[in-house]
Amino acid sequence: DTGVSQDPRHKITKRGQNVTFRCDPISEHNRLYWYRQTLGQGPEFLTYFQNEAQLEKSRLLSDRFSAERPKGSFSTLEIQRTEQGDSAMYLCASSYREGLNEQYFGPGTRLTVT
Amino acid sequence: AQSVAQPEDQVNVAEGNPLTVKCTYSVSGNPYLFWYVQYPNRGLQFLLKYITGDNLVKGSYGFEAEFNKSQTSFHLKKPSALVSDSALYFCAVRDPLYSSASKIIFGSGTRLSIRP
Repeated sequence: DTGVSQDPRHKITKRGQNVTFRCDPISEHNRLYWYRQTLGQGPEFLTYFQNEAQLEKSRLLSDRFSAERPKGSFSTLEIQRTEQGDSAMYLCASSYREGLNEQYFGPGTRLTVT
Repeated sequence: AQSVAQPEDQVNVAEGNPLTVKCTYSVSGNPYLFWYVQYPNRGLQFLLKYITGDNLVKGSYGFEAEFNKSQTSFHLKKPSALVSDSALYFCAVRDPLYSSASKIIFGSGTRLSIRP
């Protein structure tokens, strides 16, 4: 399967702990996106990368959130000092070159903060 | 500001009947519009997109969507529904005049239920 992959698929953590998620995009895609999806809602944009450069961050991305894509391939999303409100599905997507191209999504990482 | 609305939380259709899932949008310029489908425990799958050209766009699994600029709508349609079409459908829009090159806004989703 050469689609977008995410790891882990599920994460349960206690409030205050740090968590890190990984996304591996489709290999020839140079754009990578992170979204958050809560129950009953559509995905909300968090941030995106073109190659290794992080070009936009949503206001939803508080100081506790940080994303990296160090070599322009895989990306990590870290949440520090997790809060119960961080519980959600975190989706990664990638696309090829220009913004006209559709985004391909991974299966997501479901985060539960207890 | 760009936005997209899906006015129906749920649509119920009998197998074999035509289906429509509604979507309206608001953008500053000419929109780029997308439909995605989400099956349980799986990521969003791209169905179709409208960038420019013909108002009727054909996509995966027999779905199509009609772009209507005067009504600012992009309804998803299928002539004959299958039980396997039951899933959560999301409409999405990108405003090319918006500052971000790639940011797209998703609607809240419509759950499509096809009964045998």
